[in-house]
Amino acid sequence: NAGVMQNPRHLVRRRGQEARLRCSPMKGHSHVYWYRQLPEEGLKFMVYLQKENIIDESGMPKERFSAEFPKEGPSILRIQQVVRGDSAAYFCASSRAGGDGYTFGSGTRLTVV
Amino acid sequence: QQPVQSPQAVILREGEDAVINCSSSKALYSVHWYRQKHGEAPVFLMILLKGGEQKGHEKISASFNEKKQQSSLYLTASQLSYSGTYFCGTEQKMAGNNRKLIWGLGTSLAVNP
Repeated sequence: NAGVMQNPRHLVRRRGQEARLRCSPMKGHSHVYWYRQLPEEGLKFMVYLQKENIIDESGMPKERFSAEFPKEGPSILRIQQVVRGDSAAYFCASSRAGGDGYTFGSGTRLTVV
Repeated sequence: QQPVQSPQAVILREGEDAVINCSSSKALYSVHWYRQKHGEAPVFLMILLKGGEQKGHEKISASFNEKKQQSSLYLTASQLSYSGTYFCGTEQKMAGNNRKLIWGLGTSLAVNP
C-alpha cells in the first residue's frame, strides 16, 4: 500500500511559468483534497474533488489555478503564470469517503524565483 | 466556521502532560486530530464521532463533547517524539455524501529532554 503519492517533491519555477502538481490517492480512495501551507501556518483548503467532479473549489483563487481528477490517472493541481506569492507547500490528501480520516501525501514544495 | 485551538503553543519536559483544546461555534459532527512534524505531511491520529466519545492512541487520547461543541486531546507522559504541530479538523457536511474538514490553526508542541 503505497499511500498518497505526490510528485514532484520539490519544484522550482520562474515567474510566469506553469506549475503542475500531481497526486495519486491511496488505493480505494475516491476523494481528493488539495491544501496549501505557508511556513509556520496551518492548512488552507483549496479544492475537493472526486473522479471527474469538482465538489468544492471555494478555496481556489479564481484566476491561474485549476484542478482536475480524471477518470484515469492522478489528480492535477495546475498553476499558470506563477508569481512569487505562490511559493508554498502544497499537500494532497485522500479519503475513502467524505467523513473518513485523511491520508496525506508528502507534499510538493513550490518555489517561484 | 474555523475551529479555535488553544493553546497556540506548549513547551513540555519529557514525561509531562498536556491538553489541547478545539472548539467550534458550529455544531460538530465529528472531530479529527492530526500531528505534523516540521517539513513533513500531517499524520492522522484519530477521529471522534459521538458526543462524549473518547479514544486512545498509545498515550494520546481525546474526548469529544458534542453539546459543548469541543474536543480535547490529552497527551500523557509526553515523549520527545510527540513534538510537532497538532491540528484539529471539524467536519462540514455538504450536498450528498460529501464532507470536508475545516482546520484549526494548530497548536505547536515542543517536548524537551
